[in-house]
Amino acid sequence: DQQVKQNSPSLSVQEGRISILNCDYTNSMFDYFLWYKKYPAEGPTFLISISSIKDKNEDGRFTVFLNKSAKHLSLHIVPSQPGDSAVYFCAASAGGGTSYGKLTFGQGTILTVHP
Amino acid sequence: SAVISQKPSRDICQRGTSLTIQCQVDSQVTMMFWYRQQPGQSLTLIATANQGSEATYESGFVIDKFPISRPNLTFSTLTVSNMSPEDSSIYLCSVATGHSSSGANVLTFGAGSRLTVL
Repeated sequence: DQQVKQNSPSLSVQEGRISILNCDYTNSMFDYFLWYKKYPAEGPTFLISISSIKDKNEDGRFTVFLNKSAKHLSLHIVPSQPGDSAVYFCAASAGGGTSYGKLTFGQGTILTVHP
Repeated sequence: SAVISQKPSRDICQRGTSLTIQCQVDSQVTMMFWYRQQPGQSLTLIATANQGSEATYESGFVIDKFPISRPNLTFSTLTVSNMSPEDSSIYLCSVATGHSSSGANVLTFGAGSRLTVL
């Protein structure tokens, strides 16, 4: 049962344009959502997150939107740069306690930004 | 944030053998987490390594297959036992490194150990 899904395996965008990466989830107990970026031969690195009580969080060129009723979130990158080319993972967590450290990840979306 | 070193970075293993992956963190941490990423799949938590107690395994993962050691607050090992081609994956060590501005627990990951089982 895939609780977090990224239905687009890849996305290609021109430099300077907007990149929109999408993520859907099924577990209504998730209370935090995170985006990680991964370059080849490196571990995933944290990018941005959002609490389930918010609908938007912005950090520089990166904005995450959450539509709780649709169980959908998206990551917007504006403007896109060639250095943004990487695999982007959506992840979700369901609070602390026994779930501490447990992130449920999507399959990832490969973003390619062309100069 | 913490710096995590994993060894080996990659290896090719024979069916039926076992391999131990090492994870070293540059600071003391209470819990360390082992994840697996099978080809084309998402990252999945295998277990939480606690210092001074047994590791806590997620559903579908058992100690006999993935024994874990945690001798101190900066080091852990994961052994993949009696390997089969289905164990070909990237194995990643991670630690919690605080909260994001939105309050989420943020994990920092090592570069991973890519195992190929023939």
